[in-house]
Amino acid sequence: NAGVTQTPKFRVLKTGQSMTLLCAQDMNHEYMYWYRQDPGMGLRLIHYSVGEGTTAKGEVPDGYNVSRLKKQNFLLGLESAAPSQTSVYFCASSPRATWYNEQFFGPGTRLTVL
Amino acid sequence: QKEVEQDPGPLSVPEGAIVSLNCTYSNSAFQYFMWYRQYSRKGPELLMYTYSSGNKEDGRFTAQVDKSSKYISLFIRDSQPSDSATYLCAMSDTGGFKTIFGAGTRLFVKA
Repeated sequence: NAGVTQTPKFRVLKTGQSMTLLCAQDMNHEYMYWYRQDPGMGLRLIHYSVGEGTTAKGEVPDGYNVSRLKKQNFLLGLESAAPSQTSVYFCASSPRATWYNEQFFGPGTRLTVL
Repeated sequence: QKEVEQDPGPLSVPEGAIVSLNCTYSNSAFQYFMWYRQYSRKGPELLMYTYSSGNKEDGRFTAQVDKSSKYISLFIRDSQPSDSATYLCAMSDTGGFKTIFGAGTRLFVKA
């Protein structure tokens, strides 16, 4: 099992460009999440999904859109990138059942917006 | 004020030392408490989890929750260089899918 994979691992964008980050999980998990991690800020939830075809806003959703057309994939889009979106992006997934909601994280995507 | 406060460190200790990592929180509804470990340039991995107050031990690691003080701790005994990582506390109120993470404490264990 590959677990949670993220594509790409690194990306440099210019202000105003768009891009899509792809997350895939092979554990048949119901829930999927997109976080950003910035120094001193910890992990902040951007968007999440509780099942195929559903998405919801997290703590910092502005400037991002998501889609979950298939259960195993969760896409994060930046329509018009800004320098404030320079960050490390993590995707995670979790099964529905456990009360402590263990989240399984991907390796991250390092995004720089110039 | 952040819901969860965690000293970012870095914390540097010699091999074999006892390490204490801490978080404070403001939301009294939090009932589920977790610690994640994140190695450099990797995603976080769940290390330990506890429910409500009390202690939980797993090998060299002990998680402690004091709900009356809104304070949680992770103790590492006989610390090893392989414990060098960032430790993130995490908590939730309903045990559901929304989890609040601390900023993480960077730990260095020197051989």
